[in-house]
Amino acid sequence: DIQMTQSPSSLSASVGDRVTISCRASQGISIFLAWYQQKPGKVPNLLIYPASTLQSGVPSRFSGSGSGTDFTLTISSLQPEDVATYYCQKYNSAPFTFGGGTKVEIK
Amino acid sequence: QVHLVQSGAEVKKPGASVKVSCKASGYTFTRYYMHWVRQAPGQGLEWMGIINPRAGSTTYAQKFQGRVTMTQDTSTSTVYMELSSLTSEDTAVYYCARSEGSGAGTYFSAYWGQGTLVTVSS
Repeated sequence: DIQMTQSPSSLSASVGDRVTISCRASQGISIFLAWYQQKPGKVPNLLIYPASTLQSGVPSRFSGSGSGTDFTLTISSLQPEDVATYYCQKYNSAPFTFGGGTKVEIK
Repeated sequence: QVHLVQSGAEVKKPGASVKVSCKASGYTFTRYYMHWVRQAPGQGLEWMGIINPRAGSTTYAQKFQGRVTMTQDTSTSTVYMELSSLTSEDTAVYYCARSEGSGAGTYFSAYWGQGTLVTVSS
């Protein structure tokens, strides 16, 4: 099975900072990658699919890139409401594995 | 609009089984696959499996093979996830999450149920 590895596992940044989260697949998955945001105590929220398309209603400060095995989620200017854990998920074929998550905090 | 409403919290003894339901509304039930995902306390998201509500066909994560059963009732637009031989390691919030279709490239999820907490404790 393809493994999904996110890095870092956590980060702390200041409001207004540019934040980058990496997701690496152990084998190529084309562009079939989704990003989710999960705020504490809440249900995961779809941000981006496949790899770079912003889901409707998601602020434009979020962006995604990559293909094959290496993907990136970028928050161009971190806001207090972006405090959350972010997950990538491969969806080219089963099993539809999630990455381990990246917890984003405000410094 | 799309709604996925899950059954309520459960407390089970080790060795027991639990069956969680997810009632869908606001779309054609049989046109969209449904995932089950779980999240243990303080942990990440773990994909458990997927069901095709039209055919009832399923694909399970290897970790849960032999212990999980996903079924559907098209008359009530409800999917079910039953997990057997529970241990404390199965204490988690269980989510249903709808795919964006039933074919290649549609297996991500914009719609999630509210989650069902299953606690396994003696």
